[in-house]
Amino acid sequence: GQQLNQSPQSMFIQEGEDVSMNCTSSSIFNTWLWYKQEPGEGPVLLIALYKAGELTSNGRLTAQFGITRKDSFLNISASIPSDVGIYFCAGQRIQGAQKLVFGQGTRLTINP
Amino acid sequence: NAGVTQTPKFQVLKTGQSMTLQCAQDMNHEYMSWYRQDPGMGLRLIHYSVGAGITDQGEVPNGYNVSRSTTEDFPLRLLSAAPSQTSVYFCASSTTGVSNQPQHFGDGTRLSIL
Repeated sequence: GQQLNQSPQSMFIQEGEDVSMNCTSSSIFNTWLWYKQEPGEGPVLLIALYKAGELTSNGRLTAQFGITRKDSFLNISASIPSDVGIYFCAGQRIQGAQKLVFGQGTRLTINP
Repeated sequence: NAGVTQTPKFQVLKTGQSMTLQCAQDMNHEYMSWYRQDPGMGLRLIHYSVGAGITDQGEVPNGYNVSRSTTEDFPLRLLSAAPSQTSVYFCASSTTGVSNQPQHFGDGTRLSIL
């Protein structure tokens, strides 16, 4: 089955640094989603993108839906310790059926 | 508001045993789905349902059955557990329709098959 190619797989950064991660696919998606998962919990939605070229912010988080509809990125500015977790991108292709395809995840570790 | 509730949170089974993972949502969502999460592979769709009485297969359906008799509940059944089904299982729900509302996830069931 298809999965999105998410990179990097892991990041080790200092508190206060900016973070950037991205997802690419060989096929087009109608919707891109970014989730964060903390230990013992399910993924929690951070940002949803519905239109090619759309740039959306949620506090220190910014995500963009690529013009080709085959990629998306997520930026986190001025990282803080509570940003630690695994970040997943997800693409949705079929309207109504809402089947999601997930990336492999980016594990973010922050040194205080 | 409880959101998506999964039970149990942890379970250990022996090979060949059967088991039902429960999922309930109180948001009146039409769409519900089951995913499994394995290390380094993100989440993969097992089965999904677009409404009561309607189910369909996802990416990795083999070894799993589902039913949707009510809008609120979407149980996942393992008829004969195998070690390859050791994983963390997540249930999700959302509304359906043109707006493509994002899915809300439960906290997961960690399942080990010995």
